[in-house]
Amino acid sequence: DIQMTQSPSSLSASIGDRITITCRASQGISNYLAWFQQKPGTVPKLLIFAASTLQSGVPSRFSGSGSETDFTLTISSLQPEDVATYYCQKYNSAPWTFGQGTKVEIK
Amino acid sequence: EVQLVQSGAEVRKPGESLKISCKGSGYSLTNYWIVWVRQVPEKGLEWMGIIYPGDSDTRYSPSFQGQVTMSVDKSISTAYLQWSSLKASDTAVYYCARRSYFGSGGLDVWGLGTTVIVSS
Repeated sequence: DIQMTQSPSSLSASIGDRITITCRASQGISNYLAWFQQKPGTVPKLLIFAASTLQSGVPSRFSGSGSETDFTLTISSLQPEDVATYYCQKYNSAPWTFGQGTKVEIK
Repeated sequence: EVQLVQSGAEVRKPGESLKISCKGSGYSLTNYWIVWVRQVPEKGLEWMGIIYPGDSDTRYSPSFQGQVTMSVDKSISTAYLQWSSLKASDTAVYYCARRSYFGSGGLDVWGLGTTVIVSS
């Protein structure tokens, strides 16, 4: 099965900083990659699908890029409400594996 | 309004059986996969498997194959996840979510989760 590896596992940044989270697939998955945000005690929320398409209602400071094995999620200007854990997920074929998560905190 | 409504929290003893549900409304069930996701307290998201309500085509994660059974009743737009013999390690929140059967969309609607506690 294809493994999904996120890095870093956690990060701390200042308000207004640009941050990038990386997700690497052990084999090519085309653009079948989604990003989710999960705030403490809440349900995961879809941010980006098809590697770079912003889900309706998601702020434009979030963006995604990549294809095949290397993907990134970027927050262009970190806001207090962005404190959360972020997960990538592949869904080209079963199993639709999640990455292990990246916890984002404010410095 | 598109919703996935999950059944309430459950407390069971090891070895007991359990079936939890996920009812879809506001959309056509047969246009979407239903996905089950496990989240152990303070841990990450684990993909358990998917079921397509159109024909009950089911795919399980190797980690959950043989441990759970997914099913669906199209007539009442409800998907189910069941265990025949629970273990303490099954204690977790279980989410259902949907993903379009067509195209490259992601898991766009999620249920609120069902908390399952297995303790003697």
